[in-house]
Amino acid sequence: DGGITQSPKYLFRKEGQNVTLSCEQNLNHDAMYWYRQDPGQGLRLIYYSQIVNDFQKGDIAEGYSVSREKKESFPLTVTSAQKNPTAFYLCASSIPPSVKDTEAFFGQGTRLTVV
Amino acid sequence: GNSVTQMEGPVTLSEEAFLTINCTYTATGYPSLFWYVQYPGEGLQLLLKATKADDKGSNKGFEATYRKETTSFHLEKGSVQVSDSAVYFCALSDSWGKLQFGAGTQVVVTP
Repeated sequence: DGGITQSPKYLFRKEGQNVTLSCEQNLNHDAMYWYRQDPGQGLRLIYYSQIVNDFQKGDIAEGYSVSREKKESFPLTVTSAQKNPTAFYLCASSIPPSVKDTEAFFGQGTRLTVV
Repeated sequence: GNSVTQMEGPVTLSEEAFLTINCTYTATGYPSLFWYVQYPGEGLQLLLKATKADDKGSNKGFEATYRKETTSFHLEKGSVQVSDSAVYFCALSDSWGKLQFGAGTQVVVTP
């Protein structure tokens, strides 16, 4: 079945460490997105990529980095510069972004906790 | 910039009650509008969408109408079930396909 796979489901990080969250899709979508979810704040866009080897900062990119070397993969690294990384992270993908009514498909999320 | 405002929760209802979740938006141009649903511990699933003014999206008994004159996209369901307990997000899509979400509304349906 086609879909988006995020791993791991739960992740614990010590302060000062970088961690990488995986996101893989087999939907042949061009666009991929990373969102952060905090209680009562909805979803905020961290980074997005509309095509391989290209990505753009979203609303809250500070302390995060991404790469898009393959169409299927869009990993997110939470660096030690991110001051409050504990959150639920959601990856999404969609068909060409020029189609504004396209549906976004979401992964099951990764819950990151700093210990 | 674009923004979405939806009513705060939690909304607590008895089974078979009528549900309304208000959503209003601010956007340039003509965005597409969406409702997504999130069940505990999971990602988001598309519930319904509307792409132009006066369009009505519907799915699983839920409905929402794109009202350009009031910049609204309110979600309604005539008779909720316990299985409808979830967090509901209103969202709009800009010309680049990026989604802007509201804060989410938690709905709790009791037997």
